[in-house]
Amino acid sequence: DVQLVEAGGGLVQPGGSLRLSCEASGFTFSGFWMGWVRQAPGKGLEWVATIRQDGSDKYYVDSVKGRFTISRDNAKNSLFLQMNSLRAEDTAIYYCVTYGGYEAMFQYWGQGTLVTVSS
Amino acid sequence: DIQMTQSPSAMSASVGDRVTITCRASQDVAIYLAWFQQKPGKAPKRLIYAASRLQSGVPSRFSGSGSGTEFTLTISSLQPEDFATYYCTQHKSYPLTFGQGTKVEVK
Repeated sequence: DVQLVEAGGGLVQPGGSLRLSCEASGFTFSGFWMGWVRQAPGKGLEWVATIRQDGSDKYYVDSVKGRFTISRDNAKNSLFLQMNSLRAEDTAIYYCVTYGGYEAMFQYWGQGTLVTVSS
Repeated sequence: DIQMTQSPSAMSASVGDRVTITCRASQDVAIYLAWFQQKPGKAPKRLIYAASRLQSGVPSRFSGSGSGTEFTLTISSLQPEDFATYYCTQHKSYPLTFGQGTKVEVK
């Protein structure tokens, strides 16, 4: 079975940093684009970033450009999101997702990890 | 950016009702459109991809249709486990965008 397990969330002060990780299993991780989607408390879903299979292409929503960096380690079946200069509006549950063509597009989701930015 | 607008934002329905949710894109997204169901405290679950393809394991009472700028998600006979929030999303171009969600509540 496909599993995506996120870790690394927590409470951080405004301006601080956090690194999220997602460990994948049950599929050929290196064969898929991957991404992050977030959901602020009581709000809708927002795409954050995606990364190509070999890490050569990365895309971000405008609100996180220059602050967040998506990366991956295919040898360890792991996806990462380095979040710097965090703001209160980054408070959300962050989900690790598969991405790619029609079939892979947000097909699998992790359970999510909560990031709270507050002083 | 492509804006995705769902209607209605919320609705009340009864078990057995036929439910239709609409998603409109501000630009042509062809069939790069998926539908998700989310229950409180849970991760979203994909129901439909490529506008009309049913995700494996999803009951056949769910169906999707449309292309271009107008799409619909239909639940042919609402079941108790279908009370949830539904989202559409386009992946035709970046930034990927979601509709605001449609909450289906008990009437």
